[in-house]
Amino acid sequence: GESVGLHLPTLSVQEGDNSIINCAYSNSASDYFIWYKQESGKGPQFIIDIRSNMDKRQGQRVTVLLNKTVKHLSLQIAATQPGDSAVYFCAENPTWGNKLTFGGGTRVLVKP
Amino acid sequence: EPEVTQTPSHQVTQMGQEVILRCVPISNHLYFYWYRQILGQKVEFLVSFYNNEISEKSEIFDDQFSVERPDGSNFTLKIRSTKLEDSAMYFCASSTARTYEQYFGPGTRLTVT
Repeated sequence: GESVGLHLPTLSVQEGDNSIINCAYSNSASDYFIWYKQESGKGPQFIIDIRSNMDKRQGQRVTVLLNKTVKHLSLQIAATQPGDSAVYFCAENPTWGNKLTFGGGTRVLVKP
Repeated sequence: EPEVTQTPSHQVTQMGQEVILRCVPISNHLYFYWYRQILGQKVEFLVSFYNNEISEKSEIFDDQFSVERPDGSNFTLKIRSTKLEDSAMYFCASSTARTYEQYFGPGTRLTVT
C-alpha cells in the first residue's frame, strides 16, 4: 500500500549539533510534502513544506531535501536547541486529494 | 498570529453517547479537516470539507461520524454513538487552499469509558 514512513524512531542529539530526520514515502503521485513538529500535549506545528518541483527548501535553521528518485524526504535542523525536542512527522499530499498522510514520527531528544 | 482553536480540550463520555467536538478554523481559510491520533500512534486523516460539503473522507469516517459548518466560524465533528476505540486526540486543521500548509488546532482529547 501507499505509505509514508520514518527510518529512525528516536534521535538523540547534542545541543548545538545538527539533526537530520529522514522519511521515506511510497506514493510517487504525491506533489506536496510537509514537516510538522509535535510537542507533548499539543497539535502538530507546521515547520516547512516543499513541492515536488523542488529538491531543496530552506527556512530558519531548517532545510528540507526531497529526492524524488528514491522517494526520500529529510529535515535538517541546524544548531539544535533544547526547544527542538519533540516528535517530528513528515506528511504527504497526493495530487488528487487534499488529505495529509502522516509518517510514524521521529522523537528528537536534545541533550544539554 | 491567527490560530485554530478547539473546544473542549478534554471530553469524557460513556460508550454509546453522542459527542460534538468544536473547532474554529482560521478566518480566511477555505478548507477544513479533522484528524485523529490514537495514543502513541501517528496522525490519521478523517475528513476534509470544502464549500460546505465533504471533499474526501477516510475509511475511519463511517456513518457514526458527521461534520458540519453551522455558521461562518465553527466547524464541528459529531460522533453519534461513541465506542471505546474512538478514544483519541482529535485535531482540527484548516488551510487556504488544497496544497497549502494545514494549520492544526491544539486538539480535543476524547476519552470513551
